[in-house]
Amino acid sequence: EPEVTQTPSHQVTQMGQEVILRCVPISNHLYFYWYRQILGQKVEFLVSFYNNEISEKSEIFDDQFSVERPDGSNFTLKIRSTKLEDSAMYFCASSKQGAPGANVLTFGAGSRLTVL
Amino acid sequence: AQSVTQLGSHVSVSEGALVLLRCNYSSSVPPYLFWYVQYPNQGLQLLLKYTSAATLVKGINGFEAEFKKSETSFHLTKPSAHMSDAAEYFCAVSAGNQGGKLIFGQGTELSVKP
Repeated sequence: EPEVTQTPSHQVTQMGQEVILRCVPISNHLYFYWYRQILGQKVEFLVSFYNNEISEKSEIFDDQFSVERPDGSNFTLKIRSTKLEDSAMYFCASSKQGAPGANVLTFGAGSRLTVL
Repeated sequence: AQSVTQLGSHVSVSEGALVLLRCNYSSSVPPYLFWYVQYPNQGLQLLLKYTSAATLVKGINGFEAEFKKSETSFHLTKPSAHMSDAAEYFCAVSAGNQGGKLIFGQGTELSVKP
């Protein structure tokens, strides 16, 4: 069964460092997403991406964050200068369709980011 | 604005017993509702979804959920728990322009005792 793959599974970084989390969505999917889950809290929407541009973003997704689809297969989340509060599990997801109710998101296993 | 509340962060049942995981939603428009499951070290996997068709929705692994508009609820049930059902379960409502913006509940960890 097709799956969304994420790398790295766990990254430890120092505060202020740049981090890039990588995702390979399912090949025929057109919509891509990042979510995050701070330990003990809800899974939160960060950003959605379609047709090479951001279609929606949350207030969490400030100027420190950026997303990119540098080639036909990868979808990346960059955090420019990490803060302690960025420590979380980051989930990538993709879907074939974007219409509410019609889309089914397939999630990756997550990348755990620890900022020291 | 949409929101989801899951009652009970931890639920423990015996193997073979009924599983009931509670979810209440708030939505200003007809909602699309989802249940996802997360097994250890894995991603979130769709169990089932409600998209305004039948109010009783059947999903994978014997789970089902009933949409009750009058109670703004979408509780997840399974008649007989299995050890392999131990996982974290998330209720979510679809929001946003494209539908990919899911608003999640805080999750319910299900434990199954032998």
